[in-house]
Amino acid sequence: KNQVEQSPQSLIILEGKNCTLQCNYTVSPFSNLRWYKQDTGRGPVSLTIMTFSENTKSNGRYTATLDADTKQSSLHITASQLSDSASYICVVSDRGSTLGRLYFGRGTQLTVWP
Amino acid sequence: EADIYQTPRYLVIGTGKKITLECSQTMGHDKMYWYQQDPGMELHLIHYSYGVNSTEKGDLSSESTVSRIRTEHFPLTLESARPSHTSQYLCASSGIVTRGPGLAGGETQYFGPGTRLLVL
Repeated sequence: KNQVEQSPQSLIILEGKNCTLQCNYTVSPFSNLRWYKQDTGRGPVSLTIMTFSENTKSNGRYTATLDADTKQSSLHITASQLSDSASYICVVSDRGSTLGRLYFGRGTQLTVWP
Repeated sequence: EADIYQTPRYLVIGTGKKITLECSQTMGHDKMYWYQQDPGMELHLIHYSYGVNSTEKGDLSSESTVSRIRTEHFPLTLESARPSHTSQYLCASSGIVTRGPGLAGGETQYFGPGTRLLVL
C-alpha cells in the first residue's frame, strides 16, 4: 500500500533554533517528492521538489534531502523564525498515471516560540 | 504567488441547503483538483479535471459534483449539505513551471486558500 508517514506529528522549538522534519514513504513507482508549507487557514505552498536523482535541494533556510534507496526524506529548517510556524506536508508522486498521482502525509505541525 | 482563488473562505450553512464552492485560476492551467482536508489529517483528492468538459472522481468518495465549462473555473456543488460534509475544501491547479529558487522544472500544484465549511 502506498503511504507517506511523517514525524514528529508536532514540534515546538524556540526562535533561532534549527529543526529537522522526517518523511518516510512506500510509494512505488517513485516520481518526485515535494515539501509543502501550510499556514493555518491557508492552502499549501510548495517549498521544494526533488526527483529520484537529487539528494538535496535548498530554498533559503529550508533544505530538503532525499534518500531514494531507503525511501526517506527530511526537511531541515535553519535559524527558525516565528513565521515558520505552520504545518509541513510531505507529498510523493508516482509515475503510475498521466495524472502523476500524489500521496500526502498528515504533516508535522511546527510551532516556533519567541 | 499563485493566482488561484476560492470563495467563500468561510461558510456556515444549515442541513439540506444547496451550496457551491467557487474556484478560479488565472494561470491557464489545464488540470484542476478539489481536495478535502480535516484538521490534522492528510489531503484527500475528491475530484479532478484534465481540462474543459473533463471531470473525474478522486480517491475519496464524495457526494459533491463538479463541472469544468471554462478552463479557469472549477466549481464544486453539494446538492444537500449534511453535517458530515463539514471540512476544509482546497482547490488546486497544475501546469509546467520554469526553474526557480527551490523548484525544479516540471509540474507542480498550486493551491487556493481553501473554504472552511460548517454544516449545522
